[in-house]
Amino acid sequence: DVKVTQSSRYLVKRTGEKVFLECVQDMDHENMFWYRQDPGLGLRLIYFSYDVKMKEKGDIPEGYSVSREKKERFSLILESASTNQTSMYLCASSFNFEQYFGPGTRLTVT
Amino acid sequence: GENVEQHPSTLSVQEGDSAVIKCTYSDSASNYFPWYKQELGKRPQLIIDIRSNVGEKKDQRIAVTLNKTAKHFSLHITETQPEDSAVYFCAASIQYSSASKIIFGSGTRLSIRP
Repeated sequence: DVKVTQSSRYLVKRTGEKVFLECVQDMDHENMFWYRQDPGLGLRLIYFSYDVKMKEKGDIPEGYSVSREKKERFSLILESASTNQTSMYLCASSFNFEQYFGPGTRLTVT
Repeated sequence: GENVEQHPSTLSVQEGDSAVIKCTYSDSASNYFPWYKQELGKRPQLIIDIRSNVGEKKDQRIAVTLNKTAKHFSLHITETQPEDSAVYFCAASIQYSSASKIIFGSGTRLSIRP
């Protein structure tokens, strides 16, 4: 059974703080993804990675960066958090097209 | 880039009736179309998918149809039950450099009335 975990379920940060969201998968998947989920907007792709140290921009990369130093771990970084980054963040890994999602991190930026 | 539009945004049906959710996509190179279900407070999970070489696929009470010419695909749920209440996302996958990325629709909140 695929397991994707995220470092926090809930997070509250102040404007301007640097924020790290971590995602770990245990199935040796090569592809990993970060999405944000907002009501009425669905799941929007921020960044994805198809191999260690490789990354590609998704549809809304502005204000975010990522790091993939190990195959099982994919980190999302908010360099300077802003209130419009308050959202639910979902990580996923994929194999043979199927996406396996983590439980999500609800981030509030005040 | 690829764009996926999903309708309706909300849908309420009587228990036992059928529900249909429709999606259109923009990139004719898309070749994989999954549907995800997200129950309240839970993570999205794949419920059914279809590839571009197939026009229809069924799994018990759910079915998906694909019209490549028109670039649209639909999810059909028959004999709806309370546990079908959830948000449903369609998606289209496009190959991108060394990986494929999936573009999701905006979601449909399905409510089943008892």
